[in-house]
Amino acid sequence: AQRVTQPEKLLSVFKGAPVELKCNYSYSGSPELFWYVQYSRQRLQLLLRHISRESIKGFTADLNKGETSFHLKKPFAQEEDSAMYYCALRGSTLGRLYFGRGTQLTVWP
Amino acid sequence: DGGITQSPKYLFRKEGQNVTLSCEQNLNHDAMYWYRQDPGQGLRLIYYSQIVNDFQKGDIAEGYSVSREKKESFPLTVTSAQKNPTAFYLCASSIDNNAGGYTFGSGTRLTVV
Repeated sequence: AQRVTQPEKLLSVFKGAPVELKCNYSYSGSPELFWYVQYSRQRLQLLLRHISRESIKGFTADLNKGETSFHLKKPFAQEEDSAMYYCALRGSTLGRLYFGRGTQLTVWP
Repeated sequence: DGGITQSPKYLFRKEGQNVTLSCEQNLNHDAMYWYRQDPGQGLRLIYYSQIVNDFQKGDIAEGYSVSREKKESFPLTVTSAQKNPTAFYLCASSIDNNAGGYTFGSGTRLTVV
């Protein structure tokens, strides 16, 4: 069975502090992992995917197959990073994504 | 502008009534999806469609129905059989079955009164 776990429902940090949003997954095959972000009053949008190995808005995420994790990191958080973040896994059923429950990140000034 | 449009933005329904949520895309995407977003529960898949005239149940399909008569359109009907229909509904599309990158609509908030 495919499952995505985001253990933190809420996460608060101060501006300039490092931030890490945790994501663990359960999947027996070769996973494809994503991070989606939803800013206030905006649509849910793709932030990054592991196969791209890119950095978007200063965020990076590394797939760790040994720990089955895909944590999202940023060395210096900004107030505009405040949003809801969802980790997602593409499973064996063609196309569909499995989403975690989301982490609401608040960056205080 | 290419995109995915959901309407209406807000919808009120009386108990016992069926209601249909619209989702239209002009991105020429093959696959379309309906998710339900509840606080603390993330996004749960209701139905999805990979091609026209074909669709599959997701994880919480009971009390919902869909159709895919045109590539551009994937309406969702919330029936009176849905026990807890008040929620935020998101429609999404992707270019093909193997593309994990979804484009999302802006959502419809349904309230049962």
